[in-house]
Amino acid sequence: GQQVMQIPQYQHVQEGEDFTTYCNSSTTLSNIQWYKQRPGGHPVFLIQLVKSGEVKKQKRLTFQFGEAKKNSSLHITATQTTDVGTYFCAGPSGGSNYKLTFGKGTLLTVNP
Amino acid sequence: DGGITQSPKYLFRKEGQNVTLSCEQNLNHDAMYWYRQDPGQGLRLIYYSQIVNDFQKGDIAEGYSVSREKKESFPLTVTSAQKNPTAFYLCASSFGAGDTEAFFGQGTRLTVV
Repeated sequence: GQQVMQIPQYQHVQEGEDFTTYCNSSTTLSNIQWYKQRPGGHPVFLIQLVKSGEVKKQKRLTFQFGEAKKNSSLHITATQTTDVGTYFCAGPSGGSNYKLTFGKGTLLTVNP
Repeated sequence: DGGITQSPKYLFRKEGQNVTLSCEQNLNHDAMYWYRQDPGQGLRLIYYSQIVNDFQKGDIAEGYSVSREKKESFPLTVTSAQKNPTAFYLCASSFGAGDTEAFFGQGTRLTVV
């Protein structure tokens, strides 16, 4: 079955440094989604990428979808303490694309 | 106020007992999901449902059962056959297939002693 892999598993940065997490799927994806889970909270949707090579920005966050639609990345510029949390990528699979598979996530901690 | 509700937030059970976790949504979503979260394991899919009276096994369905008798409800039963039931359980819903945003409940932390 489909596998979604994320690296790194953990990342600790000083406030102001940049951060990147990478996501790779074993199969081509129709789209990829990114979620953020704050400590003690539940995952919250950030964005969805659909097109090959797509790049989207949300303030300091930049999301990319690979040309082959099998990999994606999330880059945060100048991290802040509010960026702390686990970032997950997720991709649909199954015959009707209803099965939503998540990566293991990257836990980001920020030292003020 | 629309949303997805899981109850209770914390649940304790004795080993060997079945326990049912509640998940209710008033978002009029067709698709609903159950995930299990363990430290370092991310979110692992237990069961998902595309529509009422239909559900599919996810990646770790053994020891779990679900029902989808109503559109707004998708309860998960953790049976005594589940070897390591202690975990954080998350329910989610979405309008349609996995190409639409999933909304998560607050989660239920189950501890089996």
